[in-house]
Parts: sequence; structure tokens; C-alpha cells
Amino acid sequence: EVQLLESGGGLVQPGGSLRLSCAASGFTFSTSAMSWVRQTPGKGLEWVSAISDSSVNKYYADSVKGRFTISRDNSKNTLYLQMSSLRAEDTAIYYCAKHLNGWFFDFWGRGTLVTVSS
Amino acid sequence: EIVLTQSPGTLSLSPGERATLSCRASQSVSSSYLAWYQQKPGQAPRLLIYGASSRAAGIPDRFSGSGSGTDFTLTISRLEPEDFAVYYCQQYGSSPPLATFGQGTRLEIK
Repeated sequence: EVQLLESGGGLVQPGGSLRLSCAASGFTFSTSAMSWVRQTPGKGLEWVSAISDSSVNKYYADSVKGRFTISRDNSKNTLYLQMSSLRAEDTAIYYCAKHLNGWFFDFWGRGTLVTVSS
Repeated sequence: EIVLTQSPGTLSLSPGERATLSCRASQSVSSSYLAWYQQKPGQAPRLLIYGASSRAAGIPDRFSGSGSGTDFTLTISRLEPEDFAVYYCQQYGSSPPLATFGQGTRLEIK
């Protein structure tokens, strides 16, 4: 059974940093591209970042480029999202998602809530 | 960046009825790159349809997708009580590589 379990969310002040993790199991993590997708009540679903299976290719939404860094450790079956210079508008539930063919997301974690507030 | 606009915002129907949800793109989208998701309260989205018309694993055949170019449709042939949820369309492109979602259609019980 595919499982994705996010952790690392919490309350952080504007300008602060946070690192999210996503522990994967039940599939061959090292051959799967992965993404982070976030959701806010006001803006719905927003793709944040993606990484190829070997980490060669990394992609970012314009809204987080230069502030967020995606990475993975295939030996630990874990995906990461390092977030810095956080803003109030980064407040959201952050999901990790496994890619199916191309950039379709066939499995999602339950999400971790990030709140940016003073 | 391609913008996806879903309509209607809210659809009120009864179990057993047919639901038709629309997703319109601001520019042409390859059919291969269009998906639909279902999301229930407190849950993550679930992939229903990818490649515009292919059902994901375990998805009942009452769900079907169609369309091309800028207009895509998700059809639920006979609504079951568990189908009442929010539905999102999603597309991805390669130049630049990114994914975008529609704003969602809420399917509610009439």
C-alpha cells in the first residue's frame, strides 16, 4: 500500500524558515518523480515544486522560486521542502504527491499545516 | 501560464442524476496533460481521470472524462451519495514545466 506521510509543519513567524519532510513507502520511491502541492481556502490547490527521480531536475512555481528548495534522499525514501523567507501567503496545507505518467499526482499524503503569522 | 476555469462553481443534484462538470483552459492544452481530482472534506485530493479520459486505478466506470483543446468535461453518469465532493481539473506543461489547477466545482446534494 502506498503511503506518504508529511511532517514538519507548524507556526512560524514571517521571514522564518521551516523544513517539511515526506516519508514514502509502498512503492519504488527512487524511480518516482515527486511534488509538493499546497492548499489554501482562498486560492485552492497550488503546485509548489517538483523533483525528478534522481534529483537532476527541480522545478518551482514562481511564487516560491528563490525561497523554497526541494530535495530528496532516496536511501531514506524521503522528500523534503526547505522553506525560507516565509510570508503570510505561504500559509497552507502542504501535501506531497507521487507522480504518475508525467505530472499527474496519483497518490497524496494527508498534508501538514504551515501557518505563517506573528 | 495556462489558467483553468471550472464551471459551475457549485452544482446541486440528487443521487441517481447525471453530473456534468466543465473545465476551460485559457489556451490549448494537450489532452494527454489534463486530469481530474475529487476531494472530500478533510482529505487529500484523489486522482480520478488522467490524459483527459483515462480512469485512474480503482475509479468506478460511472466517472468519465472527455474533451480537447480548451474545453474538457468530467461526467458522472449516476451520482452515488459518496460522489458529493469538490472536483478539480489540472493540467501540466513542459515550457516551462509546471502544473496548474482549476478553482474547483463543488458538487452538493440537492
